[in-house]
Amino acid sequence: GAGVSQSPSNKVTEKGKDVELRCDPISGHTALYWYRQSLGQGLEFLIYFQGNSAPDKSGLPSDRFSAERTGGSVSTLTIQRTQQEDSAVYLCASSLGQPYSGNTIYFGEGSWLTVV
Amino acid sequence: QKEVEQDPGPLSVPEGAIVSLNCTYSNSAFQYFMWYRQYSRKGPELLMYTYSSGNKEDGRFTAQVDKSSKYISLFIRDSQPSDSATYLCAMSGSSNTGKLIFGQGTTLQVKP
Repeated sequence: GAGVSQSPSNKVTEKGKDVELRCDPISGHTALYWYRQSLGQGLEFLIYFQGNSAPDKSGLPSDRFSAERTGGSVSTLTIQRTQQEDSAVYLCASSLGQPYSGNTIYFGEGSWLTVV
Repeated sequence: QKEVEQDPGPLSVPEGAIVSLNCTYSNSAFQYFMWYRQYSRKGPELLMYTYSSGNKEDGRFTAQVDKSSKYISLFIRDSQPSDSATYLCAMSGSSNTGKLIFGQGTTLQVKP
C-alpha cells in the first residue's frame, strides 16, 4: 500500500519567497505530524494534528510558519518570507491514532528545502 | 543543555560485531522510548518501542531503558552491512501529545 507521500521532494527558493509543502498521509490515519531535520541534526517537532482536535502548534519556530489539514487528510506546511536558516528537510508523518500503544508513526521521505 | 543527548559518531564496526547505541535524557517525565533507523535520504522508520523501564528484544535488536539513570540503549547483535544507517532515539512524556523529542542521531557504518 501507499506510504506517506510528500511533495515537492526538492525545492530551491529565493530568500523572501513563500513556499508550500504538501503531505498526503496514509489513508485512514487520523494523526499527522510535521518535523524538521537540519543537516546532521535530529528531528525537531513542528506541529501535530489529531482528528478534529485543535492542533498542537507548539513547535512552530515563528509566525512565518503555518500548517493546515483539510478534510482530516492532506496537510500543507507554509513558510512565508523564507530565510536561509529555514533550509532543512521537512518530514511529514502519520499514524493510525495517538503515537503510543502500538500506533507506529510512518514518515515520508521528506521535502528538501534550500533557501538561497 | 538538550533534553536528549546522543553521540553523533560516526561509529564504524566490522561485520558481525555487537553495536551499542546510547542516549541520555534530562526529563524524568519521559515514559515512552523509541529507536528509529534512517537510511540516507529516506524518512526514519521505527525499530523499537518501549514503555517505561526494562528490556525489549526483537531479533538481533535489544532496547534497554534505565529510567533511574535516564539512559537508554539499543544493542545490535551480529551487525550486517545493511545495518549501516543513522539511528535516532526518541522519547516523550505524555500519551496525549504527538511531540517526540529526538536525539541528534548516531551514524553507524558496518564494514564487510
